[in-house]
Amino acid sequence: KAGVTQTPRYLIKTRGQQVTLSCSPISGHRSVSWYQQTPGQGLQFLFEYFSETQRNKGNFPGRFSGRQFSNSRSEMNVSTLELGDSALYLCASRTSGRSQETQYFGPGTRLLVL
Amino acid sequence: GENVEQHPSTLSVQEGDSAVIKCTYSDSASNYFPWYKQELGKRPQLIIDIRSNVGEKKDQRIAVTLNKTAKHFSLHITETQPEDSAVYFCAAVIVEGAGSYQLTFGKGTKLSVIP
Repeated sequence: KAGVTQTPRYLIKTRGQQVTLSCSPISGHRSVSWYQQTPGQGLQFLFEYFSETQRNKGNFPGRFSGRQFSNSRSEMNVSTLELGDSALYLCASRTSGRSQETQYFGPGTRLLVL
Repeated sequence: GENVEQHPSTLSVQEGDSAVIKCTYSDSASNYFPWYKQELGKRPQLIIDIRSNVGEKKDQRIAVTLNKTAKHFSLHITETQPEDSAVYFCAAVIVEGAGSYQLTFGKGTKLSVIP
């Protein structure tokens, strides 16, 4: 099976712009979670989607939003970018949501905000 | 919300020695504890996990222990090798009946294995 894929892999934006990141989960996986990784804050949970519904949300401002499509692909959007949004954004997928199971990470999208 | 503390933040060991990384969590609802290894420039990869109804789990040179009463869990790597050098993250997950899954990571431990 192909692994989790994310596009684009690298992105440069300027303050005030918005950005959309995409994540394609492993085939058959219906749960997609998003994380922000920075040197200072480490790995922080953004949100989780399952069957096109957001089930959990971390402590991020409303500028961070997401959605999931019927084919389980997910997008994450950040509006009005700030310098502090520069980070590696990782998505992870897993099969369902009814058990304590492994999630598999994508390679990440590295976002630089200038 | 859940809070996960991880220690130490950096750890250097001689090749062949053991390495121990410790984590504590705050929310007793956490019931799943995965450990991830992240090499420089790569994605986190699961190396071992433990569920709340188990006290210890072993996989070759890696073992994890869980003390639910004290709310702490530890990763033990024996006979360390240079390829074990990486950043290790512990995590606590609350998996609820409706399938809700919220994962909180520790800040990470940079392990360096000196040949």
